Amino acid sequence: DTGVSQDPRHKITKRGQNVTFRCDPISEHNRLYWYRQTLGQGPEFLTYFQNEAQLEKSRLLSDRFSAERPKGSFSTLEIQRTEQGDSAMYLCASSPPSDEQYFGPGTRLTVT
Amino acid sequence: GEDVEQSLFLSVREGDSSVINCTYTDSSSTYLYWYKQEPGAGLQLLTYIFSNMDMKQDQRLTVLLNKKDKHLSLRIADTQTGDSAIYFCAARKESASKIIFGSGTRLSIRP
Repeated sequence: DTGVSQDPRHKITKRGQNVTFRCDPISEHNRLYWYRQTLGQGPEFLTYFQNEAQLEKSRLLSDRFSAERPKGSFSTLEIQRTEQGDSAMYLCASSPPSDEQYFGPGTRLTVT
Repeated sequence: GEDVEQSLFLSVREGDSSVINCTYTDSSSTYLYWYKQEPGAGLQLLTYIFSNMDMKQDQRLTVLLNKKDKHLSLRIADTQTGDSAIYFCAARKESASKIIFGSGTRLSIRP
């Protein structure tokens, strides 16, 4: 396994469109995390899954954002009715229980 | 709330040691991390230290933790051009899932 993968790596969309990102964690990592990183800032936590259960959501995750991990393996993050303020790098990480989080390369979203 | 602070920029001469400093506010932070991010890339975990340790050394990297002052530092010995990147200090509590990151320190290397 080569690590956490994310798709697409880049996405340009027009304001008001919906976008969906995918994250494939490291095999057998039961924990999966989504973070958002804006320019010049560190990553900020969005949400966390243990297997298929979404156990924690940040207040940053507005109603327009939804994340799923239906079979406890890959995860999707959907943003509805995108706004310019959603432009950021969306990072996914995975970890086994009680261990370090390993990050993927990220999906860079640009909303025009 | 929880906060992690670090200086924004550091410039060092190639071959010198780099020292990146960080402070955190939550004394219950159990895990303290250093991540490296190169342009356009995700985060690479460099090293981490448990809060019950004072120091950890890993090849060219030395982490020092002053738990009383809630101060963490990363020393990179013999800094090379390949060390140019943004370095993030981060903290996590034992019971928490999320990592709290600082804003990153951009390390640039002078010839």
